[in-house]
Amino acid sequence: DQQVKQNSPSLSVQEGRISILNCDYTNSMFDYFLWYKKYPAEGPTFLISISSIKDKNEDGRFTVFLNKSAKHLSLHIVPSQPGDSAVYFCAASLRWGKLIFGQGTTLQVKP
Amino acid sequence: SQTIHQWPATLVQPVGSPLSLECTVEGTSNPNLYWYRQAAGRGLQLLFYSVGIGQISSEVPQNLSASRPQDRQFILSSKKLLLSDSGFYLCAWSPQQDQPLHFGNGTRLTVT
Repeated sequence: DQQVKQNSPSLSVQEGRISILNCDYTNSMFDYFLWYKKYPAEGPTFLISISSIKDKNEDGRFTVFLNKSAKHLSLHIVPSQPGDSAVYFCAASLRWGKLIFGQGTTLQVKP
Repeated sequence: SQTIHQWPATLVQPVGSPLSLECTVEGTSNPNLYWYRQAAGRGLQLLFYSVGIGQISSEVPQNLSASRPQDRQFILSSKKLLLSDSGFYLCAWSPQQDQPLHFGNGTRLTVT
């Protein structure tokens, strides 16, 4: 049972445009959501998070949106840069530490 | 600052051989520690977590075990590897339960 799903395995955008990565979850009890970025042969690095009591969190070029009624999470990157090319994982937590990850979306930003 | 070390970076082992992957954290005390695995084309799956020395919780039944002999050391082991154990193994830590996880660089394990 996949509780956190990223239905798009890959996404390609032009440099300077917006990248939108999507994530759906099934468990309404999740109370915290995170996005991680992963380069090949490296561990994931924490990018941004959002509590279930909020619907938006912004950090520089990165904004995470949470729609609890739709059980949907998205990450917006504006403007996209070639260095943003990586695999992005969304994750959800019932309590901190026990994160449940999606399958990941590979983002390619073309110059 | 805190750092996490995980080794080896890559490992090729025959089926039936033992496994020992080690992870250590520096610059903090009493961290929560985790082992995750990323199988090919799949997300990150939590295997084990530990909130203290000698305290191990297993998330999925499998051919692996974990131990925490010291506060900042976490070891993933197997007595006999299976082909299905191949994957990318990641150690992670968090300072307490309300902080995000920080991952090591992972070990690419190939069982042949």
